Amino acid sequence: AQTVTQSQPEMSVQEAETVTLSCTYDTSESDYYLFWYKQPPSRQMILVIRQEAYKQQNATENRFSVNFQKAAKSFSLKISDSQLGDAAMYFCAYRSVSSGDKLTFGTGTRLAVRP
Amino acid sequence: EAEVAQSPRYKITEKSQAVAFWCDPISGHATLYWYRQILGQGPELLVQFQDESVVDDSQLPKDRFSAERLKGVDSTLKIQPAELGDSAMYLCASSRSLDNEQFFGPGTRLTVL
Repeated sequence: AQTVTQSQPEMSVQEAETVTLSCTYDTSESDYYLFWYKQPPSRQMILVIRQEAYKQQNATENRFSVNFQKAAKSFSLKISDSQLGDAAMYFCAYRSVSSGDKLTFGTGTRLAVRP
Repeated sequence: EAEVAQSPRYKITEKSQAVAFWCDPISGHATLYWYRQILGQGPELLVQFQDESVVDDSQLPKDRFSAERLKGVDSTLKIQPAELGDSAMYLCASSRSLDNEQFFGPGTRLTVL
């Protein structure tokens, strides 16, 4: 079974600075997708960024980028120029290509942004 | 912008009572998911529908949980009887079809006393 591990329960960053959230996963499959989701307080979870495992190029979305290391099974999220609105729970998630589109989530990292 | 709707947003009940949650996916989304998120953990899939058919309910505690999507649009998740360990956030998500981005609703926070 696939597992997703987020070893940082909480992180803090100064506004305008950069922060990196860590995620590792375990799978025996070669084809899969990885995601970072953001869950603001009392608001719905939204997709931040997505990475296809067959792509070597790291995905980027404006201030958000990932460092995907397939051999190491590592998938970290970098947030540049942090803003107060970035404060939220961040979940790393895995989805297999071969077993439907079930998402397996990590336990989350709570990010605080200091003004 | 279209959103996934869920109600109620909060529910407090006593153990052994029955509870029901409702989800209205984004219009046109064929795939619907129910997740349970226990405090301090990530969401866990309970059941997945493709139109009105169940695709995956392997993690649904079928002795007390049931889910339906009779017309392939909105869906109801029921717990009967509720237990203390059922206290959690219940999230609904929808996607246009399999292998598409999942959009989440705001969730229903259940507290079982």
